[in-house]
Amino acid sequence: ILNVEQSPQSLHVQEGDSTNFTCSFPSSNFYALHWYRWETAKTPEALFVMTLNGDEKKKGRISATLNTKEGYSYLYIKGSQPEDSATYLCALSNSNSGYALNFGKGTSLLVTP
Amino acid sequence: NAGVTQTPKFQVLKTGQSMTLQCAQDMNHNSMYWYRQDPGMGLRLIYYSASEGTTDKGEVPNGYNVSRLNKREFSLRLESAAPSQTSVYFCASSEFPRETFFGQGTRLTVV
Repeated sequence: ILNVEQSPQSLHVQEGDSTNFTCSFPSSNFYALHWYRWETAKTPEALFVMTLNGDEKKKGRISATLNTKEGYSYLYIKGSQPEDSATYLCALSNSNSGYALNFGKGTSLLVTP
Repeated sequence: NAGVTQTPKFQVLKTGQSMTLQCAQDMNHNSMYWYRQDPGMGLRLIYYSASEGTTDKGEVPNGYNVSRLNKREFSLRLESAAPSQTSVYFCASSEFPRETFFGQGTRLTVV
């Protein structure tokens, strides 16, 4: 089991604010890091799969960076909107279990108008 | 595109009853997984199948069995349900290192 830590546990921001979350993980035996967006009662939706140190990915107002040497990834949301309210999950591919994902406990984001 | 389909969506069982959760994917993925999601615990791996014909235990396998019926289908069986198995169950599939796709989840209550 790979220990994946996410912070903060929850976050409440106003519409228009920019925000960021952190995912920390063991830097040894790194294969891939995944970010998911998960709304209550829905299926987790993949945001990014990142494999290379220094990777930066962007999807609309959401972007992510990866540092495999020090074992962390940041997810940024620019100009948060109420529809961004969800739980954001970070997960690491584990080569010891068929590259199954080891998940952090998530960051719950609430954006209020 | 169907993606990952799992059934049923909801189920209530009495302690000691058995049931099978069905999962099928149409993306020709080699790897399939079963996770459970509990409040405050995140998603935890129950069993996985790295390829057709193989299955292995994950983080929380006790009380469960699985069958990889063919490349498309991966079922999860509870032989004698216990209240501790009340959870939301997700089936998933992937082709490393691409993204993992999830089913819609099964909400199981054991009374």
